[in-house]
Amino acid sequence: EAQVTQNPRYLITVTGKKLTVTCSQNMNHEYMSWYRQDPGLGLRQIYYSMNVEVTDKGDVPEGYKVSRKEKRNFPLILESPSPNQTSLYFCASSPYGQGTNYGYTFGSGTRLTVV
Amino acid sequence: DAKTTQPTSMDCAEGRAANLPCNHSTISGNEYVYWYRQIHSQGPQYIIHGLKNNETNEMASLIITEDRKSSTLILPHATLRDTAVYYCIVRVRRDDKIIFGKGTRLHILP
Repeated sequence: EAQVTQNPRYLITVTGKKLTVTCSQNMNHEYMSWYRQDPGLGLRQIYYSMNVEVTDKGDVPEGYKVSRKEKRNFPLILESPSPNQTSLYFCASSPYGQGTNYGYTFGSGTRLTVV
Repeated sequence: DAKTTQPTSMDCAEGRAANLPCNHSTISGNEYVYWYRQIHSQGPQYIIHGLKNNETNEMASLIITEDRKSSTLILPHATLRDTAVYYCIVRVRRDDKIIFGKGTRLHILP
């Protein structure tokens, strides 16, 4: 089944303890992206990647890192999490390069709580 | 980047057609209109997209005005499972970024 898989689904951690949220897609998509969703603020893009070894900042990149060493994986790294990073996170992927005729496939989400 | 404007919320009776409007008056000629929906806290789900012609798939129809400044998503026979937040998005070509607005919260009434 074509999908975007995020892990973990739920995570509670303490301030300052480094964590990684994994994202993997099995559709050979070039483009991958991370979003966070907060009440009243909607979905905001954190980072995106148009292909292997190519990453760019979205609207809210502060406090986050990403890497794209392989096409299928796009982990989100919080080096020193803070309570304001408590949020619902989504990873998404899509094909890229052949116009804009493609929708995005989103993962099921990771609910992160930083205490 | 083109922005979109949608009503904050809408109600629709079960079994009736749900018509969700979206304004995108600054859209560029090569930008597509996409619709997604998000049920509760699940990942957003792609519904449909279009450039200037009307489009239909198994989920919905998309009507785009001739001047492309607005569009309407139509769910022909709404069910309770269509209760969700619906996002109208204009895709920015140059860097493949998509910008989610606040969306429309659609309530399907039994």
